Amino acid sequence: DTEVTQTPKHLVMGMTNKKSLKCEQHMGHRAMYWYKQKAKKPPELMFVYSYEKLSINESVPSRFSPECPNSSLLNLHLHALQPEDSALYLCASSPRGLEKLFFGSGTQLSVL
Amino acid sequence: EDQVTQSPEALRLQEGESSSLNCSYTVSGLRGLFWYRQDPGKGPEFLFTLYSAGEEKEKERLKATLTKKESFLHITAPKPEDSATYLCAVQSGHVSGSARQLTFGSGTQLTVLP
Repeated sequence: DTEVTQTPKHLVMGMTNKKSLKCEQHMGHRAMYWYKQKAKKPPELMFVYSYEKLSINESVPSRFSPECPNSSLLNLHLHALQPEDSALYLCASSPRGLEKLFFGSGTQLSVL
Repeated sequence: EDQVTQSPEALRLQEGESSSLNCSYTVSGLRGLFWYRQDPGKGPEFLFTLYSAGEEKEKERLKATLTKKESFLHITAPKPEDSATYLCAVQSGHVSGSARQLTFGSGTQLTVLP
């Protein structure tokens, strides 16, 4: 299994909603990432988990809250988002953080 | 600060018309240069990793090369299904073991016309 699975694929939410994005990998990778990508722009790193511990937070607003329940799962909890947060949210994993990233297909988020 | 510049921003080719995409980089201590392909609304798909100047990698119609200042992605006799955005990224040696230093370029949007 060489896939990173993200759910849902599409999400529309209001500014007062609370929702969660989910990511799963079964490749035994010990580093997992959240990226945000706006249209026609490169991915921007948000968070890095290494061995299930948050190792990098790229000054992301607190309305985004990551969680790593175990080595295979990564969640991104969303609360009180703004319309400018609408983007493609990508999850990725890598064996230890030194190697190539395996990306999921992303969640296309629209905040109304 | 690491910098990655890709050119051209967009490229339209006829089917079978070979060409090259450029990725120029400035980095302190290159640990690796990565090429990804991204289809609209999808996550990037890994293509190649290059580690040192002179290295080359091939996959089907794609060939990636690396010098000390830039990388090229050569596309030979492209087909419409090669249409995608091609992203280049570099990983520097600032922080060992951290993908924080994975810096992406803005990509080249390739369209291959039948």
